[in-house]
Amino acid sequence: KNQVEQSPQSLIILEGKNCTLQCNYTVSPFSNLRWYKQDTGRGPVSLTIMTFSENTKSNGRYTATLDADTKQSSLHITASQLSDSASYICVLVNTDKLIFGTGTRLQVFP
Amino acid sequence: GAGVSQSPSNKVTEKGKDVELRCDPISGHTALYWYRQSLGQGLEFLIYFQGNSAPDKSGLPSDRFSAERTGGSVSTLTIQRTQQEDSAVYLCASSRPGPLYGYTFGSGTRLTVV
Repeated sequence: KNQVEQSPQSLIILEGKNCTLQCNYTVSPFSNLRWYKQDTGRGPVSLTIMTFSENTKSNGRYTATLDADTKQSSLHITASQLSDSASYICVLVNTDKLIFGTGTRLQVFP
Repeated sequence: GAGVSQSPSNKVTEKGKDVELRCDPISGHTALYWYRQSLGQGLEFLIYFQGNSAPDKSGLPSDRFSAERTGGSVSTLTIQRTQQEDSAVYLCASSRPGPLYGYTFGSGTRLTVV
């Protein structure tokens, strides 16, 4: 069983719409939780970093939340753009290692 | 350099051959990581270098895999006697030490073993 599970596996939305991606984890303890965006053929790029004591963190149109009690995190994308089409990966940092989820593939259509 | 540089960007090799993948991290980043991303799979940790400490090799899938980091900078990941299941994108990342520094990833090397 994956320590970091993401849903949905893939998502298609229309440009301008909002969406929320989910991340459930079993990793414990961890020092911080990160959301990354990975464009096709590129390495992942960090969107947000939250410590276990933080509940929310925003970066432009991206807002991440963390509920340590339920071990869930979400990434909310507001007013989606075509350039948001990518894979979004939830990552937990345990000591020096990144533990990756399998990602959500988002496609934004005009 | 401005980012993490990996070379080659693409590598096609015959089964049984050895390959070397190179990672040039951001200057001043003491931590360097190798990850592998197989088709449809998540990112898999391979090995981690931090300064002069002994590397964490716990993610290497077999003894055919090895990595070096010379002079605390450039790293080379070597795969001996490649197998088809080694086909993947190999990503390198570097960061400053500390739990909240960002990890900067390279664009990866796409390895195809035929």
